[in-house]
Amino acid sequence: DAMVIQNPRYQVTQFGKPVTLSCSQTLNHNVMYWYQQKSSQAPKLLFHYYDKDFNNEADTPDNFQSRRPNTSFCFLDIRSPGLGDAAMYLCATSSPRLASPIQQFFGPGTRLTVL
Amino acid sequence: RKEVEQDPGPFNVPEGATVAFNCTYSNSASQSFFWYRQDCRKEPKLLMSVYSSGNEDGRFTAQLNRASQYISLLIRDSKLSDSATYLCVVLLGNNDMRFGAGTRLTVKP
Repeated sequence: DAMVIQNPRYQVTQFGKPVTLSCSQTLNHNVMYWYQQKSSQAPKLLFHYYDKDFNNEADTPDNFQSRRPNTSFCFLDIRSPGLGDAAMYLCATSSPRLASPIQQFFGPGTRLTVL
Repeated sequence: RKEVEQDPGPFNVPEGATVAFNCTYSNSASQSFFWYRQDCRKEPKLLMSVYSSGNEDGRFTAQLNRASQYISLLIRDSKLSDSATYLCVVLLGNNDMRFGAGTRLTVKP
């Protein structure tokens, strides 16, 4: 059974048109992450939530925002997508309180295309 | 300097070969270490955690040297199904996971 679910799996948007990617988890993990991964590159952490506490990476553009309305769901909003934002967006969860060492569980990713 | 650096690869090896990947990290306060495997256009999946004492899981052996800030992964008796990108991952404080760029392995018949 899928534990970290991302929707949609493929998203096509137009340059400048806002888009929202969603992530949900059935693991009840308290930490959720969003990564951006471009071809042949490492996943790049955009931000993460520890419970409701939002932790933004210093180099994450303001164009990227996130919401976590409850433990199970986390959203990535791209306010004005540019061509350079085309990438795979990966959601991951972990639970420091439950496991040592911490293990991340990844969703299947959403591949974003910007036209 | 990148926080996590890996062998650039790609590694092209025949079936049955032994192959080793290296990884270095810059933050001496790093807490935990992992190797993830990522297949083409798929999400990363945990291969194994890395402990100071070294650990083995079947054909895979991971080593950590904290003094040198160095992690390694050894794959023995390579299979075609081992072809993938191997990502070195380091956990900093504050639940912050940092990924290396990955090393691509292709095992050929």
